[in-house]
Amino acid sequence: DTAVSQTPKYLVTQMGNDKSIKCEQNLGHDTMYWYKQDSKKFLKIMFSYNNKELIINETVPNRFSPKSPDKAHLNLHINSLELGDSAVYFCASQGLAATDTQYFGPGTRLTVL
Amino acid sequence: TQLLEQSPQFLSIQEGENLTVYCNSSSVFSSLQWYRQEPGEGPVLLVTVVTGGEVKKLKRLTFQFGDARKDSSLHITAAQPGDTGLYLCAGAQDNFNKFYFGSGTKLNVKP
Repeated sequence: DTAVSQTPKYLVTQMGNDKSIKCEQNLGHDTMYWYKQDSKKFLKIMFSYNNKELIINETVPNRFSPKSPDKAHLNLHINSLELGDSAVYFCASQGLAATDTQYFGPGTRLTVL
Repeated sequence: TQLLEQSPQFLSIQEGENLTVYCNSSSVFSSLQWYRQEPGEGPVLLVTVVTGGEVKKLKRLTFQFGDARKDSSLHITAAQPGDTGLYLCAGAQDNFNKFYFGSGTKLNVKP
Protein backbone atom coordinates (compact mmCIF):
# COMPACT_ATOMS: atom_id res chain seq x y z
CA ASP A 1 0.00 0.00 0.00
CA THR A 2 1.31 3.43 -0.93
CA ALA A 3 1.70 5.61 2.17
CA VAL A 4 1.31 8.98 0.42
CA SER A 5 -0.26 9.10 -3.03
CA GLN A 6 -0.74 11.99 -5.43
CA THR A 7 -2.74 12.38 -8.61
CA PRO A 8 -2.04 13.12 -11.33
CA LYS A 9 1.62 12.19 -11.78
CA TYR A 10 1.95 14.52 -14.78
CA LEU A 11 -0.09 17.60 -15.62
CA VAL A 12 0.37 19.64 -18.80
CA THR A 13 -1.85 22.64 -19.24
CA GLN A 14 -2.14 26.06 -20.84
CA MET A 15 -1.42 29.35 -19.13
CA GLY A 16 -4.52 30.81 -17.49
CA ASN A 17 -6.18 27.47 -16.75
CA ASP A 18 -7.25 26.24 -13.31
CA LYS A 19 -6.05 22.83 -12.11
CA SER A 20 -6.09 20.67 -8.98
CA ILE A 21 -3.67 18.12 -7.54
CA LYS A 22 -4.92 15.56 -5.02
CA CYS A 23 -3.05 13.98 -2.14
CA GLU A 24 -4.01 11.18 0.22
CA GLN A 25 -2.11 9.54 3.07
CA ASN A 26 -3.02 6.30 4.83
CA LEU A 27 -0.56 6.67 7.71
CA GLY A 28 -2.99 8.22 10.16
CA HIS A 29 -0.84 11.36 10.39
CA ASP A 30 -2.26 14.68 11.54
CA THR A 31 0.16 16.89 9.59
CA MET A 32 0.33 17.24 5.83
CA TYR A 33 2.38 19.51 3.56
CA TRP A 34 2.68 20.82 0.06
CA TYR A 35 6.18 21.52 -1.30
CA LYS A 36 7.35 22.93 -4.62
CA GLN A 37 10.58 21.70 -6.22
CA ASP A 38 11.94 23.91 -8.96
CA SER A 39 14.13 23.03 -11.92
CA LYS A 40 17.25 23.42 -9.75
CA LYS A 41 15.86 20.80 -7.36
CA PHE A 42 15.31 23.35 -4.58
CA LEU A 43 12.48 22.10 -2.38
CA LYS A 44 10.42 24.80 -0.69
CA ILE A 45 7.52 24.45 1.72
CA MET A 46 4.26 26.02 0.57
CA PHE A 47 1.62 24.97 3.09
CA SER A 48 1.22 22.85 6.18
CA TYR A 49 -2.03 21.55 7.62
CA ASN A 50 -2.58 19.95 11.00
CA ASN A 51 -5.81 18.01 11.42
CA LYS A 52 -7.51 19.99 8.63
CA GLU A 53 -6.32 23.39 9.88
CA LEU A 54 -3.87 25.61 8.02
CA ILE A 55 -0.71 26.00 10.10
CA ILE A 56 1.89 27.31 7.65
CA ASN A 57 1.38 29.49 4.59
CA GLU A 58 4.71 30.49 3.12
CA THR A 59 3.87 33.66 1.20
CA VAL A 60 2.41 31.67 -1.65
CA PRO A 61 0.32 33.65 -4.20
CA ASN A 62 -3.42 33.65 -3.57
CA ARG A 63 -3.85 31.69 -6.79
CA PHE A 64 -2.81 28.64 -4.76
CA SER A 65 -5.50 27.36 -2.43
CA PRO A 66 -5.06 24.20 -0.38
CA LYS A 67 -8.09 22.32 0.89
CA SER A 68 -8.21 19.57 3.49
CA PRO A 69 -11.61 17.82 3.53
CA ASP A 70 -10.35 15.43 6.22
CA LYS A 71 -7.00 14.77 7.85
CA ALA A 72 -6.11 12.07 5.31
CA HIS A 73 -6.45 14.39 2.31
CA LEU A 74 -4.82 17.64 1.29
CA ASN A 75 -5.59 18.93 -2.18
CA LEU A 76 -4.01 21.86 -3.99
CA HIS A 77 -6.00 24.02 -6.37
CA ILE A 78 -4.20 26.50 -8.60
CA ASN A 79 -6.05 29.29 -10.43
CA SER A 80 -4.87 31.22 -13.48
CA LEU A 81 -1.76 29.14 -14.01
CA GLU A 82 1.42 30.97 -14.99
CA LEU A 83 4.58 29.78 -16.71
CA GLY A 84 6.50 30.14 -13.44
CA ASP A 85 4.22 27.60 -11.77
CA SER A 86 5.90 24.83 -13.76
CA ALA A 87 7.61 22.60 -11.19
CA VAL A 88 7.23 19.32 -9.36
CA TYR A 89 4.79 19.53 -6.46
CA PHE A 90 5.21 17.13 -3.56
CA CYS A 91 2.74 16.26 -0.88
CA ALA A 92 4.07 14.92 2.43
CA SER A 93 2.72 13.77 5.77
CA GLN A 94 4.24 13.53 9.20
CA GLY A 95 3.44 12.62 12.78
CA LEU A 96 3.10 15.29 15.45
CA ALA A 97 6.76 15.74 16.42
CA ALA A 98 9.17 17.70 14.21
CA THR A 99 11.56 14.76 14.55
CA ASP A 100 9.05 12.25 13.17
CA THR A 101 9.66 10.86 9.71
CA GLN A 102 8.19 12.93 6.92
CA TYR A 103 6.82 10.75 4.13
CA PHE A 104 6.71 12.23 0.65
CA GLY A 105 4.43 11.38 -2.23
CA PRO A 106 5.80 10.57 -5.70
CA GLY A 107 5.30 14.14 -6.91
CA THR A 108 3.21 15.80 -9.62
CA ARG A 109 5.15 17.33 -12.51
CA LEU A 110 3.22 20.40 -13.64
CA THR A 111 4.10 21.95 -16.98
CA VAL A 112 2.44 25.21 -17.96
CA LEU A 113 2.65 26.07 -21.66
CA THR B 1 18.60 33.47 -0.14
CA GLN B 2 18.48 29.94 1.21
CA LEU B 3 18.73 29.16 4.88
CA LEU B 4 20.75 26.00 4.30
CA GLU B 5 23.62 25.78 1.82
CA GLN B 6 24.92 22.44 0.70
CA SER B 7 28.30 21.69 -0.83
CA PRO B 8 29.35 20.44 -3.18
CA GLN B 9 26.45 20.96 -5.55
CA PHE B 10 27.59 18.10 -7.81
CA LEU B 11 29.87 15.15 -7.08
CA SER B 12 30.94 12.43 -9.50
CA ILE B 13 33.17 9.71 -8.09
CA GLN B 14 34.28 6.14 -8.74
CA GLU B 15 32.84 3.19 -6.87
CA GLY B 16 34.82 2.55 -3.69
CA GLU B 17 35.75 6.17 -3.00
CA ASN B 18 34.77 8.06 0.13
CA LEU B 19 32.94 11.40 0.11
CA THR B 20 31.54 14.04 2.41
CA VAL B 21 28.60 16.35 1.81
CA TYR B 22 28.20 19.49 3.90
CA CYS B 23 25.10 21.38 5.01
CA ASN B 24 25.78 24.81 6.48
CA SER B 25 23.75 27.66 7.92
CA SER B 26 24.16 30.73 10.09
CA SER B 27 20.92 29.76 11.87
CA VAL B 28 20.35 27.29 14.69
CA PHE B 29 18.08 24.31 14.14
CA SER B 30 16.27 22.18 16.69
CA SER B 31 16.64 19.16 14.43
CA LEU B 32 18.15 18.34 11.09
CA GLN B 33 17.24 15.63 8.63
CA TRP B 34 18.97 14.09 5.62
CA TYR B 35 17.03 12.76 2.65
CA ARG B 36 17.90 10.97 -0.56
CA GLN B 37 15.82 11.55 -3.67
CA GLU B 38 15.93 9.47 -6.83
CA PRO B 39 14.67 10.73 -10.22
CA GLY B 40 10.90 10.76 -10.51
CA GLU B 41 10.36 10.05 -6.82
CA GLY B 42 9.88 11.93 -3.59
CA PRO B 43 12.66 12.38 -1.01
CA VAL B 44 13.14 9.51 1.45
CA LEU B 45 14.32 10.19 4.98
CA LEU B 46 17.73 8.75 5.90
CA VAL B 47 18.27 10.12 9.39
CA THR B 48 17.23 12.76 11.93
CA VAL B 49 19.74 14.35 14.32
CA VAL B 50 18.64 16.48 17.24
CA THR B 51 21.56 16.94 19.65
CA GLY B 52 24.57 19.19 19.00
CA GLY B 53 27.62 17.01 18.30
CA GLU B 54 25.48 13.95 17.64
CA VAL B 55 26.87 11.30 15.31
CA LYS B 56 24.67 8.65 13.72
CA LYS B 57 25.73 5.75 11.54
CA LEU B 58 23.61 3.98 8.98
CA LYS B 59 25.74 1.19 7.46
CA ARG B 60 28.29 3.06 5.28
CA LEU B 61 26.72 6.48 5.97
CA THR B 62 27.82 8.64 8.90
CA PHE B 63 25.87 11.75 9.84
CA GLN B 64 27.08 14.47 12.16
CA PHE B 65 25.24 17.44 13.67
CA GLY B 66 27.48 20.39 14.52
CA ASP B 67 28.03 21.32 18.15
CA ALA B 68 26.20 24.61 17.66
CA ARG B 69 23.40 22.91 15.66
CA LYS B 70 24.03 25.15 12.65
CA ASP B 71 25.63 22.63 10.33
CA SER B 72 25.75 18.96 9.48
CA SER B 73 27.74 16.55 7.35
CA LEU B 74 27.09 13.28 5.61
CA HIS B 75 30.05 10.98 4.99
CA ILE B 76 29.78 7.93 2.75
CA THR B 77 32.44 5.25 2.94
CA ALA B 78 33.22 3.07 -0.07
CA ALA B 79 30.49 4.57 -2.25
CA GLN B 80 28.47 2.24 -4.47
CA PRO B 81 26.46 2.97 -7.63
CA GLY B 82 23.31 2.43 -5.56
CA ASP B 83 24.23 5.55 -3.56
CA THR B 84 23.63 7.70 -6.66
CA GLY B 85 20.95 10.31 -6.09
CA LEU B 86 20.15 13.78 -4.83
CA TYR B 87 20.98 14.30 -1.15
CA LEU B 88 19.01 16.95 0.70
CA CYS B 89 19.40 18.27 4.22
CA ALA B 90 16.44 19.88 5.97
CA GLY B 91 16.35 21.81 9.21
CA ALA B 92 13.47 22.55 11.56
CA GLN B 93 13.45 25.51 13.94
CA ASP B 94 11.72 25.87 17.29
CA ASN B 95 10.33 22.33 17.13
CA PHE B 96 7.69 23.44 14.66
CA ASN B 97 6.90 21.16 11.78
CA LYS B 98 8.35 23.60 9.26
CA PHE B 99 11.36 22.40 7.33
CA TYR B 100 13.86 24.45 5.38
CA PHE B 101 15.56 22.36 2.74
CA GLY B 102 19.13 22.75 1.56
CA SER B 103 20.16 23.39 -2.01
CA GLY B 104 20.91 19.69 -2.63
CA THR B 105 23.96 17.65 -3.64
CA LYS B 106 23.72 15.52 -6.74
CA LEU B 107 25.91 12.44 -6.33
CA ASN B 108 26.87 10.12 -9.18
CA VAL B 109 28.84 6.98 -8.34
CA LYS B 110 30.37 5.35 -11.39
CA PRO B 111 30.92 1.58 -11.46
